[in-house]
Amino acid sequence: KQEVTQIPAALSVPEGENLVLNCSFTDSAIYNLQWFRQDPGKGLTSLLLIQSSQREQTSGRLNASLDKSSGRSTLYIAASQPGDSATYLCAAEYNQGGKLIFGQGTELSVKP
Amino acid sequence: DVKVTQSSRYLVKRTGEKVFLECVQDMDHENMFWYRQDPGLGLRLIYFSYDVKMKEKGDIPEGYSVSREKKERFSLILESASTNQTSMYLCASSISGASAVYEQYFGPGTRLTVT
Repeated sequence: KQEVTQIPAALSVPEGENLVLNCSFTDSAIYNLQWFRQDPGKGLTSLLLIQSSQREQTSGRLNASLDKSSGRSTLYIAASQPGDSATYLCAAEYNQGGKLIFGQGTELSVKP
Repeated sequence: DVKVTQSSRYLVKRTGEKVFLECVQDMDHENMFWYRQDPGLGLRLIYFSYDVKMKEKGDIPEGYSVSREKKERFSLILESASTNQTSMYLCASSISGASAVYEQYFGPGTRLTVT
């Protein structure tokens, strides 16, 4: 069964700290992996998408990596800010068709 | 700018009512999706559509149906709402094609309460 797991479920850090969010997936035949941000009561905002042929993607203070052989992806956030507080979800696509399998998310709190 | 809109942010309905949730995208995307999100269960796919008048069941289609009469609009229908359908409903869309990158774009969500 294809599953996506995110640990920890919640994380609290002081402002300015660099941090890493983890995502693991059970099937290495991944097509692409997408990271999202969700603010409370809101929809999902796409942050980064890594195709299976890529190893990482960067956008501003965010860097996402993909290691298919180990079944892992990480989202690195540099110099965290209180505005980064949100739930971060990763989702794996296995079939070319757009269906995503989501992790449960990591709720991040950045304290001023 | 990419935009997916949903007809209501909050909705309260009674048990047994027929409920329509509407989703519209302005990006000419072929693929559209309906998810529900519940604490502890994450996002689960209800139905999706690859083209007009086409639909496929996701992981939890029971109690739901969908309609896609136009490319930009994808409707989720609760035929007879029940309390266990109280949830946050999220619509998404993506492009299609053999070499496409299927980045999904989400709407703001509809929080449905069935009493």
